[in-house]
Amino acid sequence: EDQVTQSPEALRLQEGESSSLNCSYTVSGLRGLFWYRQDPGKGPEFLFTLYSAGEEKEKERLKATLTKKESFLHITAPKPEDSATYLCAVQEAGGSYIPTFGRGTSLIVHP
Amino acid sequence: NAGVTQTPKFQVLKTGQSMTLQCAQDMNHEYMSWYRQDPGMGLRLIHYSVGAGITDQGEVPNGYNVSRSTTEDFPLRLLSAAPSQTSVYFCASNDRRQNYGYTFGSGTRLTVV
Repeated sequence: EDQVTQSPEALRLQEGESSSLNCSYTVSGLRGLFWYRQDPGKGPEFLFTLYSAGEEKEKERLKATLTKKESFLHITAPKPEDSATYLCAVQEAGGSYIPTFGRGTSLIVHP
Repeated sequence: NAGVTQTPKFQVLKTGQSMTLQCAQDMNHEYMSWYRQDPGMGLRLIHYSVGAGITDQGEVPNGYNVSRSTTEDFPLRLLSAAPSQTSVYFCASNDRRQNYGYTFGSGTRLTVV
């Protein structure tokens, strides 16, 4: 069973159509949850770190939120340049600082 | 501000050949890691290091060796390449100063024929 599950696997939106990506995790204690963006042919790029339930972080059209068992990446009025794969990763409390990654959500925003 | 530098960007190997993927970081980060990324499988950890002279295995270590003689460098060696090692390889580093969020290299696309 995967410790980190992302859904949906793929998402197609029209420009301006807001939506959310989900990351659920099963670690017993969370040290930190990370969101990354990955463009085709490139390495992932760090977006946010969340530490505790109720925490929110924002960057341009993206807002990440955290509950006790999942995180959401909300995309408001997306543009075609937001098209990318979004990766979620968690660090378990008491473990190493090496995170476990989900398989990602591929987002395509059509103009 | 180079960050994490990986070389080469592309490589084709024949089955049984060996090679070393290079990774260097200039941020004085404690942790360095190697991942492979395959379609539908996400990022899988191969080996990681928590400091110079210290390495450990990740989820998929078989067929790969690492060493960390300096803080800056973390090469990944393929001992005898197999077609199953065809993948995109990413090196990453992290540190408590950036709350352990990774900085990734741009990747090496390896094909084993």
